[in-house]
Order: sequence, then structure tokens, then C-alpha cells
Amino acid sequence: DVVVTQSPLSLPVTLGQPASISCRSSQGLVSSDGNTYLNWFHQRPGQSPRRLIYAVSNRDSGVPDRFSGSGSGTDFTLTISRVEAEDVGVYYCMEGTHWPYTFGQGTKLEIK
Amino acid sequence: EVQLVESGGDLVQPGGSLRVSCAASGFAFSSYWMHWVRQAPGKGLVWVSCINSDGSRTSYADSVKGRFTISRDNAKNTLYVQMNSLRAEDTAVYYCTRWSRGGMDVWGQGTTVSVSS
Repeated sequence: DVVVTQSPLSLPVTLGQPASISCRSSQGLVSSDGNTYLNWFHQRPGQSPRRLIYAVSNRDSGVPDRFSGSGSGTDFTLTISRVEAEDVGVYYCMEGTHWPYTFGQGTKLEIK
Repeated sequence: EVQLVESGGDLVQPGGSLRVSCAASGFAFSSYWMHWVRQAPGKGLVWVSCINSDGSRTSYADSVKGRFTISRDNAKNTLYVQMNSLRAEDTAVYYCTRWSRGGMDVWGQGTTVSVSS
């Protein structure tokens, strides 16, 4: 199975400052169709997860443009250009290329 | 509005069975693969199972293989998971999700399954 590792696991950030989360997979995530299925999700306390980014760098509908995804191969990054109060919660990356699909451990973002 | 609504979560004794349902609305349910994802208390997200659009193909995590069965009724726009031989480690919130563009783009609110004597 693919192992997906996130870092850091805890991320204290000052409002208005940038934040980045790393996601590394134990295998390359390029699918047989040529796409790289790496997703990012955000889960606020007490809520269901919400997808922010699909296929490495594509924002889902309604996702603010301060969120961006990048990377290739086995190394990926979620960047928040300027953190807002509503961004608190846990962020998960997930690979959708290899069965069984695997989530990272989660990164808890909090405001300093 | 695109929506997934789970139901059927309950407190069950170890070794017991439970069927959880997910009612879909606002989209062409029969056109999408559907997945179940679970989250144990205070823990992260874990993929459980998936089913293709017409129900002919299924896949399971090793931790539930042989005990859980995913199914769907496209006429009723409903996804199911039958859980047998439940264990304490199956205690979790179970999320119904829609698969699109290589990941889960729509999530239900979740239903809680607790396995305890």
C-alpha cells in the first residue's frame, strides 16, 4: 500500500501570514491515464471534510484563491497565502491513484 | 443542491451487525462511483470501500474485507454498507462520499457507529 506522510502535524500560524503543508507519498502518483490524483481536504471541528484541491493543483468550486496546491511525483504542497480565522482545523492530503486510497495523518492548523 | 445524507448509525455489541444507508440527491447518482470513509474518535480519515456506478465492481480495505458489503440501489439513489462481525475498532463516524476527478468531492454529514458491550 502507498504510505502518505504529512508534515508538520501541527502548524501554528499568525493571521495574515502564509502557511504550507507538505505531503509525501511512498510511490509516484501518476495514474495510467496520465493524471496525478493528489487531493487536499479541510475539516473544521465538528464538521465533515471538504475538498479544496484535486489533481495536485485544481481548486474545487467555491474555494478561495488563497489556497493553492503544487508538486509532482511523490512530493506535494498545500499553500495558504494569507491565513484567515476560518482556516483553522485539520488538513489532509489523499492519494487517489492506487487502491487502497490513502490519507495522510492530518495537519492541525491553529492561530497563534 | 447536491446532498448526501447518511442514516442508520447505532450502538451495537461486538459481533453484531448493522446496515448504514446514504441517500443522494441533486445529482445523477447512477453516474458516479461512491465511497465510504470512516473516522474513529479523535483520529484521521480512513478509506473503507467503494462501488462503481452500476454496482458491478466493489473494493474494500483489508481491515473490513469479508465483514463489510457495499451496495447501491440506483432506482432509490441510495448507497449502503452492511457491516457484520463488528469489532470495537470499527467504532467511527462513517461518511458517504461521491468520487469525482480523482477524489471525494461531496461528503455527507456522517453517521456514528459505536461498537461496545
